[in-house]
Amino acid sequence: NAGVTQTPKFQVLKTGQSMTLQCAQDMNHEYMSWYRQDPGMGLRLIHYSVGAGITDQGEVPNGYNVSRSTTEDFPLRLLSAAPSQTSVYFCASSTWTGPSDTQYFGPGTRLTVL
Amino acid sequence: TQLLEQSPQFLSIQEGENLTVYCNSSSVFSSLQWYRQEPGEGPVLLVTVVTGGEVKKLKRLTFQFGDARKDSSLHITAAQPGDTGLYLCAGVPPLNYQLIWGAGTKLIIKP
Repeated sequence: NAGVTQTPKFQVLKTGQSMTLQCAQDMNHEYMSWYRQDPGMGLRLIHYSVGAGITDQGEVPNGYNVSRSTTEDFPLRLLSAAPSQTSVYFCASSTWTGPSDTQYFGPGTRLTVL
Repeated sequence: TQLLEQSPQFLSIQEGENLTVYCNSSSVFSSLQWYRQEPGEGPVLLVTVVTGGEVKKLKRLTFQFGDARKDSSLHITAAQPGDTGLYLCAGVPPLNYQLIWGAGTKLIIKP
């Protein structure tokens, strides 16, 4: 049981480049989400999904796209990278049943945009 | 906009000392969760508190949910170097399961 996996672990981009951060989970969770974590700011929600074919914006969605074609996968696409997107990105999954749901996080992707 | 204020932001103490981390809001939450994050890894859930006034213990860690369900605290007794990490609180608003996150408390326990 791998839980939540993310690739790559590290990435360096130049301004204007695009890329996709991969996220997969094997727990059959309906809910998946992407966060960015910056020093002193906690976790900020980028996009989330409550099931295959359903996505919605979080607190900081600009510059990012997502899709959810399967229950397992939830990739995050950076359309045109900017230095402000330098951050650590976490994917998380959980059931979608109530206020006691546990969020399971992947190991993160550390992205640097030059 | 609901906010969770976590304090202190940073705490460095000697092994064996006690400490308390606070998570405060002006809003009511259905539940409050505490996560711990180690460098290079994602957060891992420690505990969820649901009922106002609830107290949960996890070995030397004691978690309390305020009576009005607007605040929570994490108390560590006789801290050990293995407790070092980033502690995050997250509240679940009523009618919405999107977590509201505190900014975190970076805890360093020196041997």
